[in-house]
Amino acid sequence: EIVMTQSPATLSVSPGERATLSCRASQSVSSKLAWYQQKPGQAPRLLIYDASTRATGIPARFSGSGSGTEFTLTISSLQSEDFAVYSCQQYDSWPWTFGHGTKVEIK
Amino acid sequence: EVQLVESGGGLVQPGGSLRLSCAASGFTFSSFEMNWVRQAPGKGLEWVSYINSRGDTTYHADSVKGRFTISRDNAKNSLYLQVNSLRAEDTAVYYCARRIYYMDYWGQGILVTVSS
Repeated sequence: EIVMTQSPATLSVSPGERATLSCRASQSVSSKLAWYQQKPGQAPRLLIYDASTRATGIPARFSGSGSGTEFTLTISSLQSEDFAVYSCQQYDSWPWTFGHGTKVEIK
Repeated sequence: EVQLVESGGGLVQPGGSLRLSCAASGFTFSSFEMNWVRQAPGKGLEWVSYINSRGDTTYHADSVKGRFTISRDNAKNSLYLQVNSLRAEDTAVYYCARRIYYMDYWGQGILVTVSS
């Protein structure tokens, strides 16, 4: 199965600053990659799919890039509601696999 | 508004069984593939099972193959996960989620705790 590795595990950022999160696949997944946001006690929320397409209702400050094995989620200017855990998921080959997540915390 | 509501979780002894349900509303359930995804306490997300829109194609993760069975009743707008031979490592919040590839809507999750 494809292993998804996210870095860093924790990212400390001040409100208004830019956050850059990384996701690496153990083999190419083309652009078959999604990003999710999850807050404590809540279900994951789809942010990005096909590596760079924002899901319905997702603010423009969230952007995704990359293809193959290297992917990036960028939050251009962190808002208070953006402090959460972010996970990537590949859907290029079964079984679908997720990264362990990056926690974005307030600096 | 799309809604997915899980039920059927709880505390069960090792080796026991449960049937998880997911009630769907706000969309044409019979047109969408569905998944179950779980999250152990403090851990990442793990895809568990998939079923196509007609219910005639299913996939399961190796970790649950032979023990878990996904099914659906399109007439009742419902998704199910029969979980048998439960182990401590199956303890998790179980989510139902819509779509085959990226999952665009998720339920709020239901906790399954396997403990004696």
